[in-house]
Amino acid sequence: GAGVSQSPRYKVAKRGQDVALRCDPISGHVSLFWYQQALGQGPEFLTYFQNEAQLDKSGLPSDRFFAERPEGSVSTLKIQRTQQEDSAVYLCASSFGTSLAPHEQYFGPGTRLTVT
Amino acid sequence: AQSVAQPEDQVNVAEGNPLTVKCTYSVSGNPYLFWYVQYPNRGLQFLLKYITGDNLVKGSYGFEAEFNKSQTSFHLKKPSALVSDSALYFCAVSDGMNTGFQKLVFGTGTRLLVSP
Repeated sequence: GAGVSQSPRYKVAKRGQDVALRCDPISGHVSLFWYQQALGQGPEFLTYFQNEAQLDKSGLPSDRFFAERPEGSVSTLKIQRTQQEDSAVYLCASSFGTSLAPHEQYFGPGTRLTVT
Repeated sequence: AQSVAQPEDQVNVAEGNPLTVKCTYSVSGNPYLFWYVQYPNRGLQFLLKYITGDNLVKGSYGFEAEFNKSQTSFHLKKPSALVSDSALYFCAVSDGMNTGFQKLVFGTGTRLLVSP
């Protein structure tokens, strides 16, 4: 079946612009995660949804970052007034598991954001 | 807080030889451990996981990993390396004591280079 998809794959934004990154998880997956991967680093957790509920947003770097998953499927990560330090690859992952039953997370190809 | 260490930035091995990619972890409770592989311009692909049970876990593409609780390690191994195994490998851990959800904490990655 189809895996996790993300769009756009590449995004160039001028400093100060707003961007929206989309994630389509695997159908039926309850859990959805966003991670940020800087160049040469491992992914770092941003936020987590269980269905439509955002259960943790402790990894969001600032209040310019906002994520939603209104119908418990597609999710959007929005970054307002982008800064150069926001340049990174943004990865979305989904999982069948919940807190009571851990499962592996399946990752999308990522969106590479470059802020100029 | 949970953490992962991958002490080697790069591992070089000749095709046909065995390979080991090292990983050590720190968590408060029981660890859930994962290995992922990342090819250029692609997302992370799940290789294998340890949740509970047998300390030796087998995964995709002939890879296996051994959980060692006393040494807090989860090294990735393969008996005979292929050139096509050349990629970036990430170890990740989540904390079984965390009843909220299973966010992953990643290491910084190890680049595996298999020479013909």
